[in-house]
Amino acid sequence: DAGVTQSPTHLIKTRGQQVTLRCSPKSGHDTVSWYQQALGQGPQFIFQYYEKEERGRGNFPDRFSARQFPNYSSELNVNALLLGDSALYLCASSLGFSEAFFGQGTRLTVV
Amino acid sequence: AQSVTQPDIHITVSEGASLELRCNYSYGATPYLFWYVQSPGQGLQLLLKYFSGDTLVQGIKGFEAEFKRSQSSFNLRKPSVHWSDAAEYFCAVGAGSNGAGKSTFGDGTTLTVKP
Repeated sequence: DAGVTQSPTHLIKTRGQQVTLRCSPKSGHDTVSWYQQALGQGPQFIFQYYEKEERGRGNFPDRFSARQFPNYSSELNVNALLLGDSALYLCASSLGFSEAFFGQGTRLTVV
Repeated sequence: AQSVTQPDIHITVSEGASLELRCNYSYGATPYLFWYVQSPGQGLQLLLKYFSGDTLVQGIKGFEAEFKRSQSSFNLRKPSVHWSDAAEYFCAVGAGSNGAGKSTFGDGTTLTVKP
């Protein structure tokens, strides 16, 4: 079992560009959550998806969007990138209300 | 609104010494509480969780935590620290039992272990 996998591991983008981050959940998991972790801070909840439906959204602007596919994988999209979007983006998966497992994250740098 | 405070930004302990990491939370209902560990460049690993019942919960790697409702605290402890415990530790509170719902995390405590 590969666990939760995220791609890419590192990414450098220019201000104003758009970025797509990908997450494959642990085998058998149907729920995916996304978090943003800025340097020196704890993770902040962005989205949660269950059965391809958004189940929760944190306090993030509309530039942030996500979706979940039939195979339960997920994408996080961020438009019009700002310097402040530079962070580690974490994906976590779970089966319903079971324990959540985190991926190693995607390090996004906006220059 | 829910919130988590980890008062200690950085803690240094000697290997073999005991450890206590503090966590205070604010939550309007019965909280789901979690402790996670994060090694440099890695994702988060769940150490333990509390939903209800016994207020002293045991986790992996020899960690335990005690829920004290009167103090709104959920402190993490370990009797004897190993060099491999050096990492960042996060306390979180949430409404979902899966630990990755709309959880709110503290800003973390960095643990350094001296030989």
